[in-house]
Amino acid sequence: DAGVIQSPRHEVTEMGQEVTLRCKLISGHNSLFWYRQTMMRGLELLIYFNNNVPIDDSGMPEDRFSAKMPNASFSTLKIQPSEPRDSAVYFCASRNRANYGYTFGSGTRLTVV
Amino acid sequence: ELKVEQNPLFLSMQEGKNYTIYCNYSTTSDRLYWYRQDPGKSLESLFVLLSNGAVKQEGRLMASLDTKARLSTLHITAAVHDLSATYFCAVGIEGNYQLIWGAGTKLIIKP
Repeated sequence: DAGVIQSPRHEVTEMGQEVTLRCKLISGHNSLFWYRQTMMRGLELLIYFNNNVPIDDSGMPEDRFSAKMPNASFSTLKIQPSEPRDSAVYFCASRNRANYGYTFGSGTRLTVV
Repeated sequence: ELKVEQNPLFLSMQEGKNYTIYCNYSTTSDRLYWYRQDPGKSLESLFVLLSNGAVKQEGRLMASLDTKARLSTLHITAAVHDLSATYFCAVGIEGNYQLIWGAGTKLIIKP
C-alpha cells in the first residue's frame, strides 16, 4: 500500500500562472477530499468526491479553483490564475470504506509570489 | 451546524506528566477521529472511535468517546518529548463523508 500520493511536493509560481496539483488515491478507497491548510484559517475542506462524483464543492474559494476526478484513482486541483493568497499547503485524503479511516497525502506546499 | 471545539489549544508540559486534551462537538455524530501532525508534515491517523464508550490505546496515548456528552478525550500518560506535535480531533457528519475539524492542540513536551 503506497498510500495517498501527491505531486508536486513543493510548487513556487508567479501570480497569474496556472497551478495543477495531483493526487493518487489508495486502491479501493472510494472518496477523495481536497483540503487547504494555513496558519490563519487552519484546515479547510475545499471539495470532496465520492465514486468520482463531486459531492460538495462549497469550500472552493472561487471560480479560479477547479477539481476533477477523471477515474477512481486520480484527482487534480487546478488554480487559474493563481494569487499570493492561495499560498498554503494543499492536502488530499482518501477514505477507506471498510474501516471509515481517512488517509492523508504528504501535501503540496504552494507558494505564489 | 456541527462545531468542534478542542481545548486547550496550546499545552506545554514536562516529560513524565499526564494530561488530557478535550474535544467537544455540538450535534450528534457517529464517528470521531484523532490525528497527529508534526511541523511541516502531513496528518497521521491515531484513532477512529465509532461507538459510545469506545476506548482505544496506542502506547502512551489513549482516546475515548462519550457520544451522550458529545465529548472525546485524548489522554497522554507519562509524556515523552517525541509526543510533541499538534493533535486534531475531527467529527463525522451523519449521512455523509465530511469531517468537521477542531482547531488543533499544539503540544510541547519539554525534556
